[in-house]
Amino acid sequence: GNSVTQMEGPVTLSEEAFLTINCTYTATGYPSLFWYVQYPGEGLQLLLKATKADDKGSNKGFEATYRKETTSFHLEKGSVQVSDSAVYFCALSDPLSGANNLFFGTGTRLTVIP
Amino acid sequence: DAGVIQSPRHEVTEMGQEVTLRCKPISGHNSLFWYRQTMMRGLELLIYFNNNVPIDDSGMPEDRFSAKMPNASFSTLKIQPSEPRDSAVYFCASSLQSGTGLGYTFGSGTRLTVV
Repeated sequence: GNSVTQMEGPVTLSEEAFLTINCTYTATGYPSLFWYVQYPGEGLQLLLKATKADDKGSNKGFEATYRKETTSFHLEKGSVQVSDSAVYFCALSDPLSGANNLFFGTGTRLTVIP
Repeated sequence: DAGVIQSPRHEVTEMGQEVTLRCKPISGHNSLFWYRQTMMRGLELLIYFNNNVPIDDSGMPEDRFSAKMPNASFSTLKIQPSEPRDSAVYFCASSLQSGTGLGYTFGSGTRLTVV
């Protein structure tokens, strides 16, 4: 079946620190992979995505590379800011398996302190 | 584009009352999803529609929950009767074409408190 496993939180970092949030997946077909971000009191927003192996998604200084060999899609940012404090969700969609929705990880809460 | 619009943003109701949550998807999107988010259970898919037709409601907790999509621009999630354990944030999301790698657009959610 399809599932996503992401790094347990919470994660607390100082401003300008390097961020990695791990995400691995299981899929029956060839999934598309996503990172969503949820700021306090808001809905989920698409942060970045990759639709095939070796693609790199990037947005707002965040990057993630679709690694088929390790079934991973780790989120990275070189220098975090206080405004990056949020909950981050890894997700996959696998249309070829017949699944018709996004499978979300449990979310990782990031707090960045000045 | 106004995005996915949910109403109300906040709802406080007494146990036993009926609650109706509303969602207007992005114009042209043909898939609509209802999610529930709690601290204990995280993000749960309740039901989704393709072209206004319910496809999978296996995530609906019990018969007290029902969802409709009478047309392409409107959906409701109803809880009758409501219970304190239904307290959560309910999100609606829509997609242009489900499962094609485009991702979903989420609304801002309805925070429901049942007392």
